[in-house]
Amino acid sequence: QSALTQPPSVSGSPGQSVTISCTGTSSDIGSYNRVSWYQQSPGTAPKLMIYDVSNRPSGVPDRFSGSKSGNTASLTISGLQGEDEADYYCSSYSHSGTLVVFGGGTKLTVL
Amino acid sequence: EVQLVESGGGFVQPGGSLRLSCVASGFTFSSYEMNWVRQAPGKGLEWVSYISSTSTTMHYADSVKGRFTISRDNAKNSLYLQMSSLRAEDAAVYYCARWPRMDYWGQGTLVTVSS
Repeated sequence: QSALTQPPSVSGSPGQSVTISCTGTSSDIGSYNRVSWYQQSPGTAPKLMIYDVSNRPSGVPDRFSGSKSGNTASLTISGLQGEDEADYYCSSYSHSGTLVVFGGGTKLTVL
Repeated sequence: EVQLVESGGGFVQPGGSLRLSCVASGFTFSSYEMNWVRQAPGKGLEWVSYISSTSTTMHYADSVKGRFTISRDNAKNSLYLQMSSLRAEDAAVYYCARWPRMDYWGQGTLVTVSS
């Protein structure tokens, strides 16, 4: 069981927006603005999409945005494209004994 | 171009040992903290271990504490993970990732633990 809770799957049509939630506790998401989101396609390494809650690394489209409220972080992908179909993982610093905790992952399907 | 290249994975029997390596290039390795993260087949990501830039601080997940040892050689731009007393549940692809953002990851190296 993962420390952070994500929905197993979400879906959307091209052009639509989807939001993936990531729920933690006051020991992780609630205590730190160190939430990251990763995109992973089959057989490849994770790719950083969002760091420090809402910052995008260079090269990541501005269709990807992140936010946080209390113990829950969210990743929103607007203007869905077929290439966005992948697994998405959230992570957060934690002071519960584990330095970093991950969510269980969410499979995004572009219909 | 930043690159991280893992190696050392393979097949090992339960109770065995393995040493993973991660060679870095394209950035000043000695200035960055590093991590190991693993992913069991068909499963999610699991943080394994952290090491500071000068090797003064290390952290481990409870699941590997006492069995795995992280280390680095800044002169060789290399990160290591010594794994011992391996269990079936340690089978995974092991990635090295640059800290603090985990903005760069290697391609991973597969560890298989089976009798």
